[in-house]
Amino acid sequence: EPEVTQTPSHQVTQMGQEVILRCVPISNHLYFYWYRQILGQKVEFLVSFYNNEISEKSEIFDDQFSVERPDGSNFTLKIRSTKLEDSAMYFCASIGFRLGDEQFFGPGTRLTVL
Amino acid sequence: SQQGEEDPQALSIQEGENATMNCSYKTSINNLQWYRQNSGRGLVHLILIRSNEREKHSGRLRVTLDTSKKSSSLLITASRAADTASYFCATATNQAGTALIFGKGTTLSVSS
Repeated sequence: EPEVTQTPSHQVTQMGQEVILRCVPISNHLYFYWYRQILGQKVEFLVSFYNNEISEKSEIFDDQFSVERPDGSNFTLKIRSTKLEDSAMYFCASIGFRLGDEQFFGPGTRLTVL
Repeated sequence: SQQGEEDPQALSIQEGENATMNCSYKTSINNLQWYRQNSGRGLVHLILIRSNEREKHSGRLRVTLDTSKKSSSLLITASRAADTASYFCATATNQAGTALIFGKGTTLSVSS
């Protein structure tokens, strides 16, 4: 069964460093999302991406964040200068052909900023 | 105000019992989805119910949606220890874009 994959599963970085989190959405899916979940808290929407551009973003997604789909399969989230409060689990998700269908989530990348 | 708030926050039951979790939301929705998350793991999609549907079943899961009350419930029948997890409802609004808005979740503990 097709699934969303994410790498790495766990990333440890120093404050101020740049990190890139990678996702491979389900093949032929058209809409892509990043969410994050701070430990013990609820899942929060960061950004959605369609047709090679951002379609929606939350207040969390400030200038430190960027997304890219560099090729036909990868979808990346970059944090330019990490802060302690960026420590969280980051989830990638994708949707197929129609808006409103199930969002399939990847297993997540746990980011720890020291 | 929060969209997609579940209650109870925590629920402890014995194997074989039914577990009911509720979710309330505040704005109009296109659909509502339920997810399960085992501790420290990813989100597993359980079921999606659209705004024009009132009830859906999937195996031991039954989901209801009452758009007049802006609420949904997830019923797990004949629970098993393996059902122990956190359960989240997430709503997709009618506005442009389909970002899911998650609730804080219900932590279910099923003891054998």
